Amino acid sequence: GAVVSQHPSWVICKSGTSVKIECRSLDFQATTMFWYRQFPKQSLMLMATSNEGSKATYEQGVEKDKFLINHASLTLSTLTVTSAHPEDSSFYICSARIEGSGNQPQHFGDGTRLSIL
Amino acid sequence: AQSVTQLDSQVPVFEEAPVELRCNYSSSVSVYLFWYVQYPNQGLQLLLKYLSGSTLVKGINGFEAEFNKSQTSFHLRKPSVHISDTAEYFCAVSFSGGYNKLIFGAGTRLAVHP
Repeated sequence: GAVVSQHPSWVICKSGTSVKIECRSLDFQATTMFWYRQFPKQSLMLMATSNEGSKATYEQGVEKDKFLINHASLTLSTLTVTSAHPEDSSFYICSARIEGSGNQPQHFGDGTRLSIL
Repeated sequence: AQSVTQLDSQVPVFEEAPVELRCNYSSSVSVYLFWYVQYPNQGLQLLLKYLSGSTLVKGINGFEAEFNKSQTSFHLRKPSVHISDTAEYFCAVSFSGGYNKLIFGAGTRLAVHP
């Protein structure tokens, strides 16, 4: 149980295009999902907390207009990297937390490798 | 300020040897503690967690960790490692109740050699 699916796993696109990444909780509902960014050989950096039915909470220094987050249902959150540039190339990972069960950890997707040419 | 420190960036070890990956945290409030493992080009998999109760926590793949409140530590141990344990290991701490936000350590690269 507690499977989080992330799609696509790898995307390569041209500079200036927008890229959408999906994060789905397959067997549980998640009011809250999290988006992280990971640079090579580094730790995870929380970008934003995605809340179902409301605006995402962004961490300091993360551009809201660059990284658009939508959490339209209890099982799906999307991250759109708008007008992507090479510096946006990174490994993006989402996670979700099971609701209603008090102390449950975050469960992570397998990540999306984004390469902007 | 709240923080998580993983003292070793890399830990080389021979197969079947014991290993300890160190994690310390800084917080003035109660914490929940986690260890995650990351294999190349993959997300994170939960190894174990400490929420409350017994300070010795057993997880998957033969790993265990001990919460030491006085030393603010949560070191990860395994008595005998395998080649397949080669991966990146992250210690993470939640400082607010209900897992609202995780703070990750920098990670420790465990390299198991034959």
